Amino acid sequence: TQLLEQSPQFLSIQEGENLTVYCNSSSVFSSLQWYRQEPGEGPVLLVTVVTGGEVKKLKRLTFQFGDARKDSSLHITAAQPGDTGLYLCAGRTGSSNTGKLIFGQGTTLQVKP
Amino acid sequence: AAGVIQSPRHLIKEKRETATLKCYPIPRHDTVYWYQQGPGQDPQFLISFYEKMQSDKGSIPDRFSAQQFSDYHSELNMSSLELGDSALYFCASSTLAGVAGELFFGEGSRLTVL
Repeated sequence: TQLLEQSPQFLSIQEGENLTVYCNSSSVFSSLQWYRQEPGEGPVLLVTVVTGGEVKKLKRLTFQFGDARKDSSLHITAAQPGDTGLYLCAGRTGSSNTGKLIFGQGTTLQVKP
Repeated sequence: AAGVIQSPRHLIKEKRETATLKCYPIPRHDTVYWYQQGPGQDPQFLISFYEKMQSDKGSIPDRFSAQQFSDYHSELNMSSLELGDSALYFCASSTLAGVAGELFFGEGSRLTVL
């Protein structure tokens, strides 16, 4: 059973379009992180959210943590071809910062010029 | 800035052989994680170490073992390799002092079992 459900799993859009990726769970997370991964490379951290209802912006990317800390969303405005990649949400259920990080299945985004 | 270093980057082995992957965490990071990622799949947690002690265990097969040494580098030992072990193996490090223990990943070691 997947602890973190990401949707959609695949997304192909045109340059300039907006999109939202969702990460949902029935579990409460002490923190949730979003990573971006390119083929053959390790995931790279984009953002960490720790407070319920928190919203963080990173240029054209907006991240939101649900009030109950069970879900999160990533919204990209005016997508660019350089945004193409695998987006992974990952969460910790325990209070320790050394606990294992559980990943969602990932969302593969393709932005066509 | 120094990142997580993994070696080797690529490894080809035959079935039933043994392989060892190495990971050098970011300096002053006290926690190391190992993940396995198959083609088109999300990273699966294998095992983690905090201050040289195993801190958590995931879906690591009994044929695999790992340890963290006094200099904080870690090694993942894989024996009796099977075709299904072919995957990207990522090491990540973090520090307890971080905001939420963000993981910093290495570039991965690609293991191919023939």
